[in-house]
Amino acid sequence: EPEVTQTPSHQVTQMGQEVILRCVPISNHLYFYWYRQILGQKVEFLVSFYNNEISEKSEIFDDQFSVERPDGSNFTLKIRSTKLEDSAMYFCARLGLANNEQFFGPGTRLTVL
Amino acid sequence: AQSVTQLDSQVPVFEEAPVELRCNYSSSVSVYLFWYVQYPNQGLQLLLKYLSGSTLVKGINGFEAEFNKSQTSFHLRKPSVHISDTAEYFCAVRPRARQAGSYQLTFGKGTKLSVIP
Repeated sequence: EPEVTQTPSHQVTQMGQEVILRCVPISNHLYFYWYRQILGQKVEFLVSFYNNEISEKSEIFDDQFSVERPDGSNFTLKIRSTKLEDSAMYFCARLGLANNEQFFGPGTRLTVL
Repeated sequence: AQSVTQLDSQVPVFEEAPVELRCNYSSSVSVYLFWYVQYPNQGLQLLLKYLSGSTLVKGINGFEAEFNKSQTSFHLRKPSVHISDTAEYFCAVRPRARQAGSYQLTFGKGTKLSVIP
């Protein structure tokens, strides 16, 4: 099954700035996820999004984060006021057709200075 | 809640030698198990999965894994590694049944496999 694409591949921003990370599914899928991986650490779940609503979120996903699907296609993760500790790889994933495995995008490396 | 333990953070192995990457999990409910591979500067690629049936599952690139319910393990193996297998390998689990907090993957910390020529 095809995966998803993500843009940009690398984002550098100043602390306190807003960033928007994008995930573009190749075909119509309803269930999406955002994960992050801080350098040297494990991949952590942030949020899942089903049928245009947040389905579940982790304790990491605080008020600084938001997700939406503004045009019915792109799936975005917004960080309102970035902190140094937000520096990480952010992965978008979609649920496979059989609702078993997840397919990941290539990730966006966010660097907060 | 689930947790995944990958005891080996780094595993060096000579080319053409066998390798085993260990994964143990903890869960109060039945789970699906996965191995993902991350090549340098790339995303996560599904290597193989265990959903049900035969406890020995085969994946891409000659890898296989065996699910052991009594030992709550899902170790990854390859009989003969290649230089191109150098990557980081992540074990992950998720609950079988959709319930509150389900479908999300819980990952281990990863094991970096270095194949030495």
